[in-house]
Amino acid sequence: TQLLEQSPQFLSIQEGENLTVYCNSSSVFSSLQWYRQEPGEGPVLLVTVVTGGEVKKLKRLTFQFGDARKDSSLHITAAQPGDTGLYLCAKGSGGSNYKLTFGKGTLLTVNP
Amino acid sequence: NAGVTQTPKFRVLKTGQSMTLLCAQDMNHEYMYWYRQDPGMGLRLIHYSVGEGTTAKGEVPDGYNVSRLKKQNFLLGLESAAPSQTSVYFCASSSRVYEQFFGPGTRLTVL
Repeated sequence: TQLLEQSPQFLSIQEGENLTVYCNSSSVFSSLQWYRQEPGEGPVLLVTVVTGGEVKKLKRLTFQFGDARKDSSLHITAAQPGDTGLYLCAKGSGGSNYKLTFGKGTLLTVNP
Repeated sequence: NAGVTQTPKFRVLKTGQSMTLLCAQDMNHEYMYWYRQDPGMGLRLIHYSVGEGTTAKGEVPDGYNVSRLKKQNFLLGLESAAPSQTSVYFCASSSRVYEQFFGPGTRLTVL
């Protein structure tokens, strides 16, 4: 099984701080997705990265795909309480892009 | 558009009882999925479907059955519920691109 390791598992910060969370695999993957899951709801897709070295920005969120396509990071600038949630990375499994394998997630709490 | 809907939202069962979870999507997606989410375990794929009338096993299929008689619906059945099946169940759907759309989840407790 090709696992996705996410770190840290838990992160609690104050409003206004910056943070980075990571997603790593021992094998190369063709694409990687980041989802955010708010308490009591289903995950929602934030971004898909497909090219090694790719950087995508979504307001205060910056996503990077490693050059070797084995890792990815999510950086949040000036975190806000609304950023609180579980951040999940996912990659295609079994040679397909319609079936995903998820990491266990990073649970982020941003305190006002 | 409602997106992906799941019924019921909450359910409590006794060991050995059966139930069916219903997932419906209005986006005309080919692919549908059932996941379970447990603390510290992340999302794990139970069963999935690549089109109407097809189903396939995922990572943790034991104790569950599924059916996809209509393209818009994907049913997850528990024939004889066990406490180990206490979890939050999510349905998702996707087209041939990468994004999966998730429902709001069903919280199931088996006593």
